[in-house]
Amino acid sequence: QVQLVESGGGVVQPGRSLRLSCTASGFTFSSYAMHWVRQAPGKGLEWVAVISYDGSIKYYAGSVKGRLTVSRDNSKNTLYLQLNSLRAEDTAVYYCAKDVDWKYFDYWGQGTLVTVSS
Amino acid sequence: QSALTQPASVSGSPGQSITISCTGTSSDIGSYNLVSWYQQHPGKAPKLILYEVSKRPSGVSSRFSGSNSGNTASLTISELQAEDEADYYCCSYAGSSWVFGGGTKLTVL
Repeated sequence: QVQLVESGGGVVQPGRSLRLSCTASGFTFSSYAMHWVRQAPGKGLEWVAVISYDGSIKYYAGSVKGRLTVSRDNSKNTLYLQLNSLRAEDTAVYYCAKDVDWKYFDYWGQGTLVTVSS
Repeated sequence: QSALTQPASVSGSPGQSITISCTGTSSDIGSYNLVSWYQQHPGKAPKLILYEVSKRPSGVSSRFSGSNSGNTASLTISELQAEDEADYYCCSYAGSSWVFGGGTKLTVL
């Protein structure tokens, strides 16, 4: 069965960096685009970024462009999100999600919490 | 890209039907038949319940149905059950990006 497991979250000071990982299993990871979606505490879902199956195409939400970078290593079945120049408003649970034909997200991980605080 | 507009909350009694609206613009819902809906229980990851406006993934109850008209999509849950109490989010493709609604809390009375 499809499994997505995020890791790498934690408490980080404003202005610092953090890298999140999402390890996939149960499907051919290298054949699918993947997304990051975040959810601030008590708030709604916010789409963050998408990366194509081979990593050649990346799109970002305007709110994070220039500070967050999505990447993947298909040899390790792993998706990454590099978060730089972190701000308090980046505090959220970050989910990775499997894409279907650039239309919707059919499987989600359990999320990893990033808390930006001094 | 602004969030899609959903009512903050809806409620219904067991056995009743409820509808949650999701209003976007001509740049998202109005341009693409690519609205999806997600159910999220407290502390859990979102779960896909409808895609491409009205299609149900395998295993999702037929009590969940969807439609759209112009810039507005709708999710209808019939024969409400206690387990349907959750947050519901709509989402639309918006051309190289995706936009979610603010979420609707469904309370089963």
